[in-house]
Amino acid sequence: AQSVTQLDSQVPVFEEAPVELRCNYSSSVSVYLFWYVQYPNQGLQLLLKYLSGSTLVESINGFEAEFNKSQTSFHLRKPSVHISDTAEYFCAVSVNTGNQFYFGTGTSLTVIP
Amino acid sequence: DVKVTQSSRYLVKRTGEKVFLECVQDMDHENMFWYRQDPGLGLRLIYFSYDVKMKEKGDIPEGYSVSREKKERFSLILESASTNQTSMYLCASSLWLAGEGETQYFGPGTRLLVL
Repeated sequence: AQSVTQLDSQVPVFEEAPVELRCNYSSSVSVYLFWYVQYPNQGLQLLLKYLSGSTLVESINGFEAEFNKSQTSFHLRKPSVHISDTAEYFCAVSVNTGNQFYFGTGTSLTVIP
Repeated sequence: DVKVTQSSRYLVKRTGEKVFLECVQDMDHENMFWYRQDPGLGLRLIYFSYDVKMKEKGDIPEGYSVSREKKERFSLILESASTNQTSMYLCASSLWLAGEGETQYFGPGTRLLVL
């Protein structure tokens, strides 16, 4: 069975400080990995995804995530956060065998001025 | 860009009412999903559908039903709304591609309050 664990439910961080949101997964088959962002009172938006190739993937707004197969992790990082990054972040996996998608319980990122 | 729309952003209903939540996607995706989102519980899958007129129960189907008469439309029905169904409801659609897996695309959500 597959599962996704987001280790921190809430992460407060000061503006312009770096942040890491942690995600670990368990799966007996190959997976594709995703980070979604949900701004207040909105739906989820795809932030970035790892399919294959380079283990480091980047988003257009400065976030990056690194796939670590040995540690079964896909942590999300940003070197300097902005107030506008305040949101809920969800890690998710899609199983290689098709049509199975699993979400973590989310991490609430609050950027403090 | 994929667009998933939901019929209402906010909805207030009374206990016992029948409630319809509509979702439409414009990318010809095979798969559609209904989730509910509650604080501390993340997203929980209610129902999903892989094709027209096809439906499968998710993790928490009790108290809900669905309808998929057309490929682009997936409706969630609360037969008799109860206060514990007050929640944020999110619709998603997806397409599974070999080598890319499945990426889900979400609507803006419907925040339902049952009084």
